[in-house]
Amino acid sequence: GESVGLHLPTLSVQEGDNSIINCAYSNSASDYFIWYKQESGKGPQFIIDIRSNMDKRQGQRVTVLLNKTVKHLSLQIAATQPGDSAVYFCAEKERDDKIIFGKGTRLHILP
Amino acid sequence: DSGVTQTPKHLITATGQRVTLRCSPRSGDLSVYWYQQSLDQGLQFLIQYYNGEERAKGNILERFSAQQFPDLHSELNLSSLELGDSALYFCASSAGGDRVYFGPGTRLTVL
Repeated sequence: GESVGLHLPTLSVQEGDNSIINCAYSNSASDYFIWYKQESGKGPQFIIDIRSNMDKRQGQRVTVLLNKTVKHLSLQIAATQPGDSAVYFCAEKERDDKIIFGKGTRLHILP
Repeated sequence: DSGVTQTPKHLITATGQRVTLRCSPRSGDLSVYWYQQSLDQGLQFLIQYYNGEERAKGNILERFSAQQFPDLHSELNLSSLELGDSALYFCASSAGGDRVYFGPGTRLTVL
């Protein structure tokens, strides 16, 4: 069936470097995508979203890129900090309003 | 703090029992979503309500049911509990638009 998936389960990045977390989606009808951050023992926290009529959106230290041709989504975190350590989920909103999550990527920050 | 509240935070019960998880959405939000997250797993969509009516259904077991009340709070009922039902259960809400905000979750342990 249609699903949202993540390429890598774990990503280790040096503190201060940029992080790039990737996500592939398969439902070409999805028109809204979201990135969430989940810290241990907490609920997912909204980071940034993007509609399918855009290919890039920037927030504070974060950028989401959407490539509809290859159904690929990425989250870029600039100047990664220790507080960025978490699991990051991409999610897509289907037309019936279901929000389907990928399995998540754990981001480790190296000192 | 997302504004979504869930009670209780922790719940420990035995197999075969029945429990009720409660969620209060953010003020003014009409949509409520329920998700299950097992250890080191992604978020599995269970069910969504909009203004008291069921809107979308995921892979929710027949032993599970939910409802949204006139005051918009929602309850998730889990019955005939099994060991495998041990998980984090998250509620999320939205105003009917796109952005969905998650609560802190209820950790259910079935012994």
